[in-house]
Amino acid sequence: DVVMTQSPLSLPVTPGESASISCRSSQSLLHRNGYNYLDWYLQKPGQSPQLLVYLGSIRAAGVPDRFSGSGSGTDFTLKISRVEAEDVGVYYCMQALQPPRSFGQGTRLGIK
Amino acid sequence: QIQLVQSGAEVRKPGASVKVSCKVAGYSLIFLSMHWVRQAPGKGLEWVGGFEAEEGKKIYAQNFQGRVIMTEDTSTDTAYMELSSLRSDDAAVYYCTSQITGSGSYYGGLDSWGQGTQVIVSS
Repeated sequence: DVVMTQSPLSLPVTPGESASISCRSSQSLLHRNGYNYLDWYLQKPGQSPQLLVYLGSIRAAGVPDRFSGSGSGTDFTLKISRVEAEDVGVYYCMQALQPPRSFGQGTRLGIK
Repeated sequence: QIQLVQSGAEVRKPGASVKVSCKVAGYSLIFLSMHWVRQAPGKGLEWVGGFEAEEGKKIYAQNFQGRVIMTEDTSTDTAYMELSSLRSDDAAVYYCTSQITGSGSYYGGLDSWGQGTQVIVSS
């Protein structure tokens, strides 16, 4: 099974500054079609998770362009530029290449 | 816009079964691949299982094999997840989530989520 490892697990950020979350997979997530099957999800306090980015770098509908995903193979990054108070929550990466799908442990973003 | 509306909280004794429903609105279930994800109290997300289009079948996580059954009723656009032989560590919020089933290797992420169903396991 593919193991997903996120860092850091806790990330305090000053509003207006940028933040980066790393996600590493134990196996390559590169599909034969050239896309990386890696998603990013945000779970705001008391809410269901929501999709932010899929296929490594494609923003989901309605997601602000402050969120950007990058990386390939086994190393991925979610960058949030100009962090806002509404960005607080737990961020998860998830691989969708090889069943069973698997999530990272989650990164809790808080405001300083 | 796809909406997923789940059934309400359930309380079960250890060893019992629970069946959670997920009604799809705004889209047809036949064009969706349904998945289920759970979250134990204070913990992260755990994939339970779902329909993998490239495999052409439902796949369940090892932790749940033999205990979980996922079904769909396309006449009512409702998906179900039944978990049996409940243990105390099955207590969690269970989410249904969906992705649009495209042709070939199309993948657009799990872009719709239900509100979650709390399952309490207590004697």
